[in-house]
Amino acid sequence: TQLLEQSPQFLSIQEGENLTVYCNSSSVFSSLQWYRQEPGEGPVLLVTVVTGGEVKKLKRLTFQFGDARKDSSLHITAAQPGDTGLYLCAGYGSSNTGKLIFGQGTTLQVKP
Amino acid sequence: EAGVAQSPRYKIIEKRQSVAFWCNPISGHATLYWYQQILGQGPKLLIQFQNNGVVDDSQLPKDRFSAERLKGVDSTLKIQPAKLEDSAVYLCASSLGSGQGAHGYTFGSGTRLTVV
Repeated sequence: TQLLEQSPQFLSIQEGENLTVYCNSSSVFSSLQWYRQEPGEGPVLLVTVVTGGEVKKLKRLTFQFGDARKDSSLHITAAQPGDTGLYLCAGYGSSNTGKLIFGQGTTLQVKP
Repeated sequence: EAGVAQSPRYKIIEKRQSVAFWCNPISGHATLYWYQQILGQGPKLLIQFQNNGVVDDSQLPKDRFSAERLKGVDSTLKIQPAKLEDSAVYLCASSLGSGQGAHGYTFGSGTRLTVV
């Protein structure tokens, strides 16, 4: 069974601080995606990383895919209260049906 | 482009009652997914449709859950009878295609079910 483990599960920081969220697996994934979910809403796709070692930037968010394509990280620089939410990593299962497997999520709270 | 529509947004029922959720995916999206998200956890796939056919329902508790997508567009998810542990957010998502790395999902806002 393919699993994605995220850490930390909870993070509460002050505005302006930096943080990193990790997503790890013992399985190789062809690609990994990161989603952000706000309370009462569905997850929204932030980025897809495909190539081992790939780095993508989205304003203050930096996403990296591990060289072996088993792990990924999300780094936020100078966090703002608007970054508060649940961050989910997800990878496609090995069955090639398009089924996404999600990690358990990291709840981020950024206090002003 | 209209998003994925779900209704109702909230539902409170007593255990052993039945409940149904409705989803209208993005126009033209062939693949539709129902996920269950328990508070504080990531979404778990219940069932995946490709047009009106089931691709994956391996994690659907078939003794109480059922889903259909009769005309390959709208879908309904039903729980009968509901248990306390079914309390969760039920998310519907759609995507243009299927297969690894194809497209990200577009999620609806979900239906929050509380079973008392």
